[in-house]
Amino acid sequence: EVKLVESGGGLVKPGGSLKLSCAASGFTFSSYAMSWVRQTPEKRLEWVASISSGGSTYYPDSVKGRFTISRDNARNILYLQMSSLRSEDTAMYYCARGTARAREPYFDYWGQGTTLTVSS
Amino acid sequence: DIQMTQSPASLSVSVGETVTITCRASENIYSNLAWYQQKQGKSPQLLVYAATNLADGVPSRFSGSGSGTQYSLKINSLQSEDFGSYYCQHFWGTPYTFGGGTKLEIK
Repeated sequence: EVKLVESGGGLVKPGGSLKLSCAASGFTFSSYAMSWVRQTPEKRLEWVASISSGGSTYYPDSVKGRFTISRDNARNILYLQMSSLRSEDTAMYYCARGTARAREPYFDYWGQGTTLTVSS
Repeated sequence: DIQMTQSPASLSVSVGETVTITCRASENIYSNLAWYQQKQGKSPQLLVYAATNLADGVPSRFSGSGSGTQYSLKINSLQSEDFGSYYCQHFWGTPYTFGGGTKLEIK
């Protein structure tokens, strides 16, 4: 059974940093692209970052230079290092697996999410 | 960036009815589109990928169609477990933007 379990969320002051983790199990983690997606309090979904099986990384402009996605294939863990946090980063953060059934990494499994609140 | 415009934003329907949700991209996304369902308090689940392919375990009452900039998700004979929110997302290059969502409520 595919399982993704996020952790590391919390309350952070503006300008602060935090690192999220996503523990993966039930599949060959190293073979899949992985991503982070967030859902704002207004329920809007936003793609945050992706990392290919080969380690290439992708970000939208809204987080580029502030967030870093990485993976530890030996431990089956996906990370999101976040810095220079802003109030607009407040959201539920999900990790998601990219499907192997298509050329593009459609998100076929999602974790339960971890909440980040950025507030003074 | 490609913008995804989803409509309607909300829909009130009865069990047994047929529903169609649409998603318009600001440019051609060549069928690189996914649909997700999200139930209250849960994470999104993939329903359809590459515009027309049902994900594993998705009932056949769901179907995806479209091409170019216009896409649709159709749910035939709505069941009680189908109520929730639905989102489209394009995968034609980054950033992979989502539509604003459609909230399906029981009439």
